[in-house]
Amino acid sequence: DTEVTQTPKHLVMGMTNKKSLKCEQHMGHRAMYWYKQKAKKPPELMFVYSYEKLSINESVPSRFSPECPNSSLLNLHLHALQPEDSALYLCASSQDGSAPYYGYTFGSGTRLTVV
Amino acid sequence: LAKTTQPISMDSYEGQEVNITCSHNNIATNDYITWYQQFPSQGPRFIIQGYKTKVTNEVASLFIPADRKSSTLSLPRVSLSDTAVYYCLVVAAGNKLTFGGGTRVLVKP
Repeated sequence: DTEVTQTPKHLVMGMTNKKSLKCEQHMGHRAMYWYKQKAKKPPELMFVYSYEKLSINESVPSRFSPECPNSSLLNLHLHALQPEDSALYLCASSQDGSAPYYGYTFGSGTRLTVV
Repeated sequence: LAKTTQPISMDSYEGQEVNITCSHNNIATNDYITWYQQFPSQGPRFIIQGYKTKVTNEVASLFIPADRKSSTLSLPRVSLSDTAVYYCLVVAAGNKLTFGGGTRVLVKP
């Protein structure tokens, strides 16, 4: 298995809803990442988990809450989002958070719309 | 963190070779140069990575001069399906992957 699987592929949520994005990989990678991408812009890093511990938080608002239950799973919990949070949310993994020489594997993303 | 500069867009025709040059003037000794490809509504896909000289794989070639202040991604004989955004990144061990603006490549029939 050489894929990063993200669910759901599409999500529409209201500003008062609570929802979660899920990411899964079975490549034995020990680093996992959340990125946010707005239309026609490059992906922006949000969070990095290395060996299931949060190592980087790029000053992301607290309405986004990451969780890494085990080495294969990464969740992003969403609460009280704003319409400007609508974007493509990408999950990625790499072999080791300290050695990026093997490249990152990205999922296809979750297209989130906040109404 | 080394900043990268690459053209915003490039047009080409099927069967031609596409060369995208990226400048990274303040690249550090331990930094690697890596390129990703992204299609609309998909995650970026790793293409190639190198440290110096030339690297080639089944998809592309990467040319890095001795001073490493720039690099060129070469896509041989492009097809319509190579229409995408191509990102040049400079990465050091233990550092996060930070994307710059990317180059939108449009391959025409």
